[in-house]
Amino acid sequence: GQQVMQIPQYQHVQEGEDFTTYCNSSTTLSNIQWYKQRPGGHPVFLIQLVKSGEVKKQKRLTFQFGEAKKNSSLHITATQTTDVGTYFCAGRGGNKLVFGAGTILRVKS
Amino acid sequence: KAGVTQTPRYLIKTRGQQVTLSCSPISGHRSVSWYQQTPGQGLQFLFEYFSETQRNKGNFPGRFSGRQFSNSRSEMNVSTLELGDSALYLCASSRGQGVTEAFFGQGTRLTVV
Repeated sequence: GQQVMQIPQYQHVQEGEDFTTYCNSSTTLSNIQWYKQRPGGHPVFLIQLVKSGEVKKQKRLTFQFGEAKKNSSLHITATQTTDVGTYFCAGRGGNKLVFGAGTILRVKS
Repeated sequence: KAGVTQTPRYLIKTRGQQVTLSCSPISGHRSVSWYQQTPGQGLQFLFEYFSETQRNKGNFPGRFSGRQFSNSRSEMNVSTLELGDSALYLCASSRGQGVTEAFFGQGTRLTVV
């Protein structure tokens, strides 16, 4: 079945450093979504990418969808303590939305 | 508008018991999905319901079941609870199947002792 792999599992950065998490699917996706889950909270939708090679920005966050629609990345520029949490990608292939295992981001101030 | 509501928020059960969790989606949303979240395992897909029909099912044993009512509210049931069923169970609603974003509830924290 469809699998979505996400790396790294965990990243600890100094405040102000950049952060990137990568997502790879075993199958071509119709779209990919990104979610953020704060400690003790629930996942919150960040963005959806649909087109091959699509790049979207939200302030310091940059999201990319690969040309083959099988991989994606989320890059945060100049991390802040408010960025802490777990970032999940979720790929849709067919009718099923499959989540990656998530990347836990910790930011040292 | 009101978000996704899950009840109860916390639950403690003993092995062998059964449990029913409830999810009320956002008004107008017809699709409800359930996920199990455990440390290090991410979000494991349980099942998805749309218009009272189960559309997709994850790789969980038959002890895990669910249903959706005509008002789109959904319940999931776990019978013969095992210690390994301890987890955060999250419900997500969306307008429909396909390319719509999912809105998550706060989850039900189930502890099996």
